[in-house]
This record gives sequence, C-alpha cells and structure tokens, in this order.
Amino acid sequence: SAVISQKPSRDICQRGTSLTIQCQVDSQVTMMFWYRQQPGQSLTLIATANQGSEATYESGFVIDKFPISRPNLTFSTLTVSNMSPEDSSIYLCSVAPWGANYGYTFGSGTRLTVV
Amino acid sequence: QQQVKQSPQSLIVQKGGISIINCAYENTAFDYFPWYQQFPGKGPALLIAIRPDVSEKKEGRFTISFNKSAKQFSLHIMDSQPGDSATYFCAAMPGNTGKLIFGQGTTLQVKP
Repeated sequence: SAVISQKPSRDICQRGTSLTIQCQVDSQVTMMFWYRQQPGQSLTLIATANQGSEATYESGFVIDKFPISRPNLTFSTLTVSNMSPEDSSIYLCSVAPWGANYGYTFGSGTRLTVV
Repeated sequence: QQQVKQSPQSLIVQKGGISIINCAYENTAFDYFPWYQQFPGKGPALLIAIRPDVSEKKEGRFTISFNKSAKQFSLHIMDSQPGDSATYFCAAMPGNTGKLIFGQGTTLQVKP
C-alpha cells in the first residue's frame, strides 16, 4: 500500500492565521482525500483533491476556508485559512492504490491547535 | 441516510475474550465496508474490509460479519490482546465514490 507523509505533524497557530498542510505519497495514486478529526471524534470528509482541477468539497466545507491544491498524482496541500479555535483538529490525507477504489490508507495526520 | 451508527462507544474485554463492535446503516448505495484501527497520535489503519456480496470475511483474529438485509455489519476480534486496545471505526462507501463515511468510533480496552 502507498506510504503517506504528512507535514507538519503538529502545529500551534494563532487565530486569524493560515496553515498549509502537505501530503506526499510514495507512488502515484488516483484518488486523494482530506479528512478532519475533531478531538475525540470520528472522521469527516472535507474534500476530494482532484489532480489538475478544483477540489470537490463536502457539505459544510468551502474553498475559501480550506483551499486545496493537487498539482500532480503524488502530492496535495490543504490550507486552513483564517483559523479559529474551532479549527483545532487532526487533519488527515487519505489515498487508495493506483486504479483501485478500495483499501484506502491514511497519513499520520497533522494535529492543529489554534490559540 | 448517509449515517453509519456504531456501538458501543466503549468496550472493556478481558485478555483472550471476544470483542464485538456493531455498525448499522440506511443507505443501500453503500458498497464497501472497511474497519479501521487507530492508536493515539496515529492515523487510522485499515484492518479489514468487506463488500455486500459476502456475508463474512476473516483475516487472522479479525472477522467481519455482514447482514445485508438488516443493513448491519460487525467486527469480531477473537482472542483479544492488550495490544488490540485502540479506537475502532467502521466506515461505508457509497458506490465507487471513494468517499468514506465513518461511524462514531469504539474505544476498546483489553485488560491483561
């Protein structure tokens, strides 16, 4: 299965600032997704990172708040903009093996604390 | 319609016992049902998964039982070990979207 590296692993940020999270995969993948896991909670899908086109956002998530880029088949970024304490969460990148639509693996996540 | 309901929220099992976690769904378009294991500070790790054309799948000590008519599926951990202590999430995927909808999670503690 693909190996996912996420950076940074954790960060503490001031409210009103923005943080860009990177997701690097060791092999080409078709599908890449970004999830949020609020403290002690389950995972919620933020958006699908589409290669070469705009991301597809789930209900409750908007591009202005969570801009996403995916310049190639192995890399994506998620930016959390104009942060507030409510954005304190773990942000996770997820991918499936090339050509598959199952067997999704997750990165270790980025633990964000907004103060 | 899009929810996956997971129970129990927490579970304590003695070493060597059987841990059972249940999930239920409503959306008949769900076509893929994985289970994930998450340790503190780590991302979820895929444990085992099943498709609705199969009623049971076993991998080592982990078994998924799937009841399509009842729209329920469960994870059984046989011979539970302290190292199995973690949070377990069931999930479901509608069609071939790649989008996973997660249950609320179950925190399992296996006592030595």
